[in-house]
Amino acid sequence: QVHLEQSGAEVKKPGASVKVSCKASGYTWTSYGISWVRQAPGQGLEWVGWINPYNGLTDYAQKFRDRVIMTTDTSTNTAYMELRTLKSDDTALYYCARARGEFDSWGQGTLVTVSS
Amino acid sequence: EIVMTQSPATLSVSPGERATLSCRASQSISSNLAWYQQRPGQAPRLLIYDASTRATGIPARFSGSGSGTEFTLTISSLQSEDFAVYYCQQYNNWPLAYTFGQGTKLEIK
Repeated sequence: QVHLEQSGAEVKKPGASVKVSCKASGYTWTSYGISWVRQAPGQGLEWVGWINPYNGLTDYAQKFRDRVIMTTDTSTNTAYMELRTLKSDDTALYYCARARGEFDSWGQGTLVTVSS
Repeated sequence: EIVMTQSPATLSVSPGERATLSCRASQSISSNLAWYQQRPGQAPRLLIYDASTRATGIPARFSGSGSGTEFTLTISSLQSEDFAVYYCQQYNNWPLAYTFGQGTKLEIK
């Protein structure tokens, strides 16, 4: 069945970068997009961006456009999200999700903590 | 940007009763709407897509309706496991600019 396995928790200092991975299995990798969604502690869901593993096309939410880079590795069915110039309010759970319109499968989430 | 507004923020309902959650879009999104359930400590789970189609494995007590700007998620007879937070999401310009509502917390009355 479809499974998305994310990398482990990260602790970073303000101004640093973080790179989170999401390894997919159980489906044809290039047939679906991968979206990234974050959730700050006690808050709602916020869409960060999307990548098409077939051609590498990306789209990022306006507020992250100058700080985020999404990539994929087709040889390992893995998507990556790199967020740069971290601030304390980037502390959140970051989820990847299989996307075709709706998000029908989700990873377990990766906690990124930004603290000095 | 399309803004999604959910109401109410919190809904208190007794087990066995019906719950009705609302979601409004700031402009027409046709039927390009999904609903998700998130239990504490878990990732969100897709319940409904295309406004009214149940996702695989979702019980029939969950139903979605609406189109354009007004949408509803109905849970016909609440079970204990249904008390959670529910989010709507639009994907009208997929794959561009998805947006979520702020969520409705469904709690036990």
